[in-house]
Parts: sequence; structure tokens; C-alpha cells
Amino acid sequence: QITLKESGPTLVRPTQTLTLTCTFSGFSLNTYGVGVGWIRQPPGKALEWLALIYWDDDKRYKSSLQSRLTITKDTSKNQVVLAMTSMDPVDTATYYCAHRAGYINWAYFDYWGQGTLVTVSS
Amino acid sequence: EIVLTQSPGTLSLSPGERATLSCKASQSVGSTYLAWYQQKPGQAPRLLIYGASSRATGIPDRFSGSGSGTDFTLTISRLEPEDFAVYYCQQYGGSPRRFSFGPGTKVDI
Repeated sequence: QITLKESGPTLVRPTQTLTLTCTFSGFSLNTYGVGVGWIRQPPGKALEWLALIYWDDDKRYKSSLQSRLTITKDTSKNQVVLAMTSMDPVDTATYYCAHRAGYINWAYFDYWGQGTLVTVSS
Repeated sequence: EIVLTQSPGTLSLSPGERATLSCKASQSVGSTYLAWYQQKPGQAPRLLIYGASSRATGIPDRFSGSGSGTDFTLTISRLEPEDFAVYYCQQYGGSPRRFSFGPGTKVDI
């Protein structure tokens, strides 16, 4: 059974760096083709993909946010960490991590965490 | 970066009716790289369709997907009360390949 859970601060001050951790079970990030992504959703708005890390440490970022994002993995702990610098109130959102199935010729997120709401405010 | 647009923004229908949701991409997307999700208030998105037309595990057969290139469609043949939700399309393309989501279509009563 695959599960993912996001953790991190619920409140971040403007200009600070947000660090979120996704702790997962039921799969290995050493498995060929597997990835873990981060997706966010501002209140009442659409989903926005942010970043993804693959089993081979290949990393992909949303182009407009690339300069602010860093994604890393710790396979021994079954964790993926997302860091986002220069936080602004517009970054207030629910942040989800999700499992990208390990099929190279397909691309979708089949398991999602419950999400964590991050508020950016002074 | 590939941009997805979805139409309509809101679809007002009744239970038992057919829903047809559109997703258009700014450039061609490989069919295997197009997925659809359903999201209800306060919940994480749920995968419905992957590879443009394959139903995910446990998804009822009233949900179907079709399309290729830049035009994709999600069809709900007969709406059940639990189908009233927001639906998002998602693609994986470009160079280097990146994900993106559409703005969503809300299906309400």
C-alpha cells in the first residue's frame, strides 16, 4: 500500500525559505522510472505542478519557479524534500506530494498525500 | 512550456446527464502523457484517466477519455451525485519534459 505524507511549517514569513518534507511508504525511490512530485493549490484555485525528482536523481522544475526551488531525496529515509526560497503571500497554498508511477512511457500521479496548508504572512 | 486550457470553466448539469469536458494543449502532447483527475472539496486529487483513455484502478466505466495531439476529452456518460466535482487535465511534455495542469472544469448541479 502506497502512502505519502507532507510535513513542514504551517506559517512562513515573507522572504523566508519554505522547507517541506514528503515521507512515503509502499514503494522505493530506487525503482526504475519512479518519481515523487510536488504540486500546490492556492485556496480556491487550480493545481500547479512545481517539481519532480526521479529514481536516478533527475530533477524537473516548473520553469517560472526554477530559480526558487530545490528538490532532493533521501532514499534511506524514504523522504523527498522541497525547498522554496523568497516566500511571498501569493505562495500561500496547500502543498501536495505525489507518486509518479514507474512506467517510462506514461506520466501521471496515482497516489497523493493529504496535503499541507502553508500560509505566508508577516 | 506546454499550457493546457480547459472548457467550459463550469458545467451545470443534472444527475443522469452526460458531461463532456475539453482539454486543449498549446502544442502536441503524446497520448500516453495526458491524464485526468477529479477533486472534491477538502480532498486531494484522484486519478481518473491516464494515457488519455485508460481508466485508473477502481474508476467506474461511466468515465471515459479520448483524444490525441492537442485536443482531449473527458466524458462522464451518466452523472451520479458523487461526480459533482472539479476535473483537471495534466500533461507531461516539452523539452525537457515537464508536467502542467489545466485550470480545471467544475461540474455542478
